[in-house]
Amino acid sequence: DVKVTQSSRYLVKRTGEKVFLECVQDMDHENMFWYRQDPGLGLRLIYFSYDVKMKEKGDIPEGYSVSREKKERFSLILESASTNQTSMYLCASSFSGGNVREQYFGPGTRLTVT
Amino acid sequence: QKEVEQNSGPLSVPEGAIASLNCTYSDRGSQSFFWYRQYSGKSPELIMSIYSNGDKEDGRFTAQLNKASQYVSLLIRDSQPSDSATYLCAVNAGGGGNKLTFGTGTQLKVEL
Repeated sequence: DVKVTQSSRYLVKRTGEKVFLECVQDMDHENMFWYRQDPGLGLRLIYFSYDVKMKEKGDIPEGYSVSREKKERFSLILESASTNQTSMYLCASSFSGGNVREQYFGPGTRLTVT
Repeated sequence: QKEVEQNSGPLSVPEGAIASLNCTYSDRGSQSFFWYRQYSGKSPELIMSIYSNGDKEDGRFTAQLNKASQYVSLLIRDSQPSDSATYLCAVNAGGGGNKLTFGTGTQLKVEL
């Protein structure tokens, strides 16, 4: 079974803090993704990575950065947290090649910025 | 125009009935289509993938794809209260490599 884990289920941070969200997958997937999910807006892609040290912006990268130093780990960084970054953050991973492959999600981190 | 559209619902069906969930997409180059189930407060769980026109069945679930009409659907037979969840349709972004575009989901309620 594919397993994607995220460092925290719930997180409360103050405005202006630097926030690190970590994601680890154990299936040797090449691709990893960070989304945020908000009511009425659905899943929106923040950043994704198709290889170690490679990253590409998604639809809403502003205010976020990412790091992928190892194949199994993909980190999302909020440089200076703001209240509008309060959301559910979801990490996903998938294989590359052939048909676009299924993405498998971690349990999510519900981040509250106060 | 949204790239992947779903009726937000809620769609209410009685227990034991067939639930029919629909999704349309705008990118004619899309090749891969997925259905995810998401319970409240949980993350999406993949339940079906379909890549070619026609039907694909897996247990009580059937995915249907019509690329000419840019339409994909999910049928759930013998609906159970445990099927009550939000169902997300996801489509690959055509020339966008491995990215998926998600609809906002349809909420399904299976009533006793």
